[in-house]
Amino acid sequence: GAVVSQHPSRVICKSGTSVKIECRSLDFQATTMFWYRQFPKQSLMLMATSNEGSKATYEQGVEKDKFLINHASLTLSTLTVTSAHPEDSSFYICSARGKETQYFGPGTRLLVL
Amino acid sequence: KQEVTQIPAALSVPEGENLVLNCSFTDSAIYNLQWFRQDPGKGLTSLLLIQSSQREQTSGRLNASLDKSSGRSTLYIAASQPGDSATYLCGAGSEKLVFGKGTKLTVNP
Repeated sequence: GAVVSQHPSRVICKSGTSVKIECRSLDFQATTMFWYRQFPKQSLMLMATSNEGSKATYEQGVEKDKFLINHASLTLSTLTVTSAHPEDSSFYICSARGKETQYFGPGTRLLVL
Repeated sequence: KQEVTQIPAALSVPEGENLVLNCSFTDSAIYNLQWFRQDPGKGLTSLLLIQSSQREQTSGRLNASLDKSSGRSTLYIAASQPGDSATYLCGAGSEKLVFGKGTKLTVNP
């Protein structure tokens, strides 16, 4: 089946630093990937849609300059949280669009101190 | 804009009971609807995927139905077990999945 990986699975960083999260489709090519964020006891909220070779499309209220998305190949999308602050601490989940539906990665837990 | 609602928000049942989780969506122009389970601190585990042309899918003790015209889906769990305790999320959409807030299920031994 379709497998999506994320790296790292957990990251702790200091306030003001930048953090990069990778999302890879391991056994299929994905022209479209999605980035979601989940706060504790909340549902997944779509942040942006990442399209290979073009600019990402951000959902309303998501700062594009703070959450940089790069989808440079058909198997890799990256999310960089720039100048992270404690309120950015969350669970970030990516997904890749396959033939039938989206396939989800295992998530990355970010803690900003 | 697609909105997904899940009822109830939480459910606690004794082991062995059959139960139904509900999901409703506002935009019926969906490609598919998918049910997931999420354990605390973990990612999503896909349970059942229903394509827009289908009406139901079954896997073991799980059965999911889809009624596009009314914008509803149900997840039926038969003979519930303590290991079924988790949060169940419903995702519906066309180009992208939109999620409900989930139903937190607790199955008591």
